[in-house]
Amino acid sequence: ETGVTQTPRHLVMGMTNKKSLKCEQHLGHNAMYWYKQSAKKPLELMFVYNFKEQTENNSVPSRFSPECPNSSHLFLHLHTLQPEDSALYLCASSQDGQGAINEQFFGPGTRLTVL
Amino acid sequence: GQNIDQPTEMTATEGAIVQINCTYQTSGFNGLFWYQQHAGEAPTFLSYNVLDGLEEKGRFSSFLSRSKGYSYLLLKELQMKDSASYLCAILDSNYQLIWGAGTKLIIKP
Repeated sequence: ETGVTQTPRHLVMGMTNKKSLKCEQHLGHNAMYWYKQSAKKPLELMFVYNFKEQTENNSVPSRFSPECPNSSHLFLHLHTLQPEDSALYLCASSQDGQGAINEQFFGPGTRLTVL
Repeated sequence: GQNIDQPTEMTATEGAIVQINCTYQTSGFNGLFWYQQHAGEAPTFLSYNVLDGLEEKGRFSSFLSRSKGYSYLLLKELQMKDSASYLCAILDSNYQLIWGAGTKLIIKP
């Protein structure tokens, strides 16, 4: 257990569906991250929140919409996804975000399949 | 551009030693991380190097040469549970983590 939980662990959705991924961290951290992990590819940083404010958005398509209501919770809202969006979506947290050197703690991920 | 290279897959024998290399070219450098990821699980932190040299932590050691843009992770006395992917990541000048694609390590009895 890393102190970061994600739900659901597996999700299958059609291209017209709307779904949300949830992440919660119990570590008292101030920064949270969404990553996409595809087979044999590097982790792709999608979004960064530092003290609930979005500080990074790495050219992610608008069909992915993040929400960070507080420092402990992070959501990724999904709509009209494409089959190529199928991947493992990882959430992570760290003590601080931008401008800091500290390790990131990852959740177990949500395995997303888009049909 | 930013680039991190690691071998895609390596195989080693239980009880042996294996070295996983990572070479990088990034815009700035604020340290190098190694993470371990078992199949279907979260990546977990192994080590952080920011100065040249070897950092030892039990059976695992990590080495860094900033002038060569090179690091390696050394695993000794390999155990079956060490079968996993090992991810190299660089903290660039913007303190953003740039990740390698990972090295899948297979341990055989």
